[in-house]
Amino acid sequence: NAGVTQTPKFRVLKTGQSMTLLCAQDMNHEYMYWYRQDPGMGLRLIHYSVGEGTTAKGEVPDGYNVSRLKKQNFLLGLESAAPSQTSVYFCASSYSKVGTTDTQYFGPGTRLTVL
Amino acid sequence: QQPVQSPQAVILREGEDAVINCSSSKALYSVHWYRQKHGEAPVFLMILLKGGEQKGHEKISASFNEKKQQSSLYLTASQLSYSGTYFCGTGTGAGSYQLTFGKGTKLSVIP
Repeated sequence: NAGVTQTPKFRVLKTGQSMTLLCAQDMNHEYMYWYRQDPGMGLRLIHYSVGEGTTAKGEVPDGYNVSRLKKQNFLLGLESAAPSQTSVYFCASSYSKVGTTDTQYFGPGTRLTVL
Repeated sequence: QQPVQSPQAVILREGEDAVINCSSSKALYSVHWYRQKHGEAPVFLMILLKGGEQKGHEKISASFNEKKQQSSLYLTASQLSYSGTYFCGTGTGAGSYQLTFGKGTKLSVIP
């Protein structure tokens, strides 16, 4: 099992460019999440999905879009990148809701710099 | 609302003990503890659910005080490998989809 994988690992964009981050999990998890991590801020939820074909907004959704066309994949898109989106992005997945004994498993992260 | 972790940072010598606290202004149903080493993904340590049960994982244990809406992570006889940033993530109900994470506590263990 590869667990949760993210592509790419690093990326540098210019302001206004677009890109898509790919998250894939092979654990047959129903729930998937995108977080951003900034120094001193902890992890903040961008968007999440409770199943194939569904998405919902998290704490900081502005400037991002997501899609979950297949159960194993969760895509995060930046349509017009801004320097404020410079961050480390983590994808996570879980089998069930976090109110149970289940938890979230994180991918290795994507370090994005917007110039 | 983001849970508050304290202290923000702590330096220990090998063998010393530490306590990291996670407090919330909201009623909590679950608290999830993670450790993150520099440049790596957060790694799950343990979950505590409403009920106040204390859990243990080798020399790392945690408790959940429902009345205070607070969880504490206890690290005993610290080892160099314990160094990293510890995060608590809180869920507010059995039906929660989301975890809200604290800003983290940076733990440094020195020889």
